[in-house]
Amino acid sequence: NAGVTQTPKFRVLKTGQSMTLLCAQDMNHEYMYWYRQDPGMGLRLIHYSVGEGTTAKGEVPDGYNVSRLKKQNFLLGLESAAPSQTSVYFCASSQGVGLNEQFFGPGTRLTVL
Amino acid sequence: QQQVKQSPQSLIVQKGGISIINCAYENTAFDYFPWYQQFPGKGPALLIAIRPDVSEKKEGRFTISFNKSAKQFSLHIMDSQPGDSATYFCAATRDRGSTLGRLYFGRGTQLTVWP
Repeated sequence: NAGVTQTPKFRVLKTGQSMTLLCAQDMNHEYMYWYRQDPGMGLRLIHYSVGEGTTAKGEVPDGYNVSRLKKQNFLLGLESAAPSQTSVYFCASSQGVGLNEQFFGPGTRLTVL
Repeated sequence: QQQVKQSPQSLIVQKGGISIINCAYENTAFDYFPWYQQFPGKGPALLIAIRPDVSEKKEGRFTISFNKSAKQFSLHIMDSQPGDSATYFCAATRDRGSTLGRLYFGRGTQLTVWP
């Protein structure tokens, strides 16, 4: 099992460009999450999904969109990248509610110039 | 509003010493408190977790102490080793009655253990 994988690992964008980050999990998990990690700010939830076809806003959703067309995939889109979106992005998945452990991917380091 | 407050932001400990990281929360509906460990260049991974019906949980050199009345919990790393050098995140969530499964993370503590 590969667990949670993220594509790409690194990316540099210019302001205004768009891109999509792909997250895939092979554990048949219902729940998937997108976080961003910035120095001194911890992990902040961007969007999450409680099942195929569902999405919901997290703590810092502005400037991002997501889609969960297939259970195993969770896509994070930036329509018009801004320097404030420079960050490390982590995807995670879990079986379901509460006690179920969240499994994180290796992260995508995004720089917006 | 930050749901979980974590301190210190950074911690330097000598090999063999005890590392202590503290967290506090406000929402009394939280009933599951995990700690995640993150090594440089990697994603966080679950280290140990506790529920509020016990005051302490120990796994090897790692211990969580939980004070329900004070709404505080802490991670103790005994006999700290250089391999423990990582960023540690405390978190909290609602388990019973929740449909979200959302974790609220502290801001993290960067632990450095000197050899």
